Amino acid sequence: RKEVEQDPGPFNVPEGATVAFNCTYSNSASQSFFWYRQDCRKEPKLLMSVYSSGNEDGRFTAQLNRASQYISLLIRDSKLSDSATYLCVVNMNTGNQFYFGTGTSLTVIP
Amino acid sequence: EPEVTQTPSHQVTQMGQEVILRCVPISNHLYFYWYRQILGQKVEFLVSFYNNEISEKSEIFDDQFSVERPDGSNFTLKIRSTKLEDSAMYFCASRETENEKLFFGSGTQLSVL
Repeated sequence: RKEVEQDPGPFNVPEGATVAFNCTYSNSASQSFFWYRQDCRKEPKLLMSVYSSGNEDGRFTAQLNRASQYISLLIRDSKLSDSATYLCVVNMNTGNQFYFGTGTSLTVIP
Repeated sequence: EPEVTQTPSHQVTQMGQEVILRCVPISNHLYFYWYRQILGQKVEFLVSFYNNEISEKSEIFDDQFSVERPDGSNFTLKIRSTKLEDSAMYFCASRETENEKLFFGSGTQLSVL
């Protein structure tokens, strides 16, 4: 079983749409969770950390459901510049290793 | 804003040659990592380094790979005898404390011919 699983997409949505990505993780003792964004042939960049209480940063909302072992990312009012691959990242209980999902590809269409 | 710096940005080498990929982590960070990403595939963990020693490594990180922190600022990945399948983007990352976010360098694109 993969440590972190994501729907690879692709998701093609019109500008202004709301889109949601989910991610599941295998280790129930995982401690920290993140969403990264990766543009084509660039490095991953932190989008936001994910906290148990859920957190919001502008148009982006992240949720964590520990009981079901999944993480979600909601993007409201999609912009063309949101087109990228979104990576779910989990720090397993080993503490020092971060596991990446395969990423979900998003294209926002004019 | 402090950043992780990697050199070179591109490296082309012949199969069987040795390559050294260089990274300068953010100065107050304590944990260092190498990841790789084969074109079109996921980001894969290679190795983590803390307190001047390897703390974890993946099954990809076999005997042809080694890491070193030769001085107070550089963190290097050496591939001793490159294979065609080593062609990938190699990312260095660092973080300050446990469970804190990773910061990535812009990567070295390694092409093995």
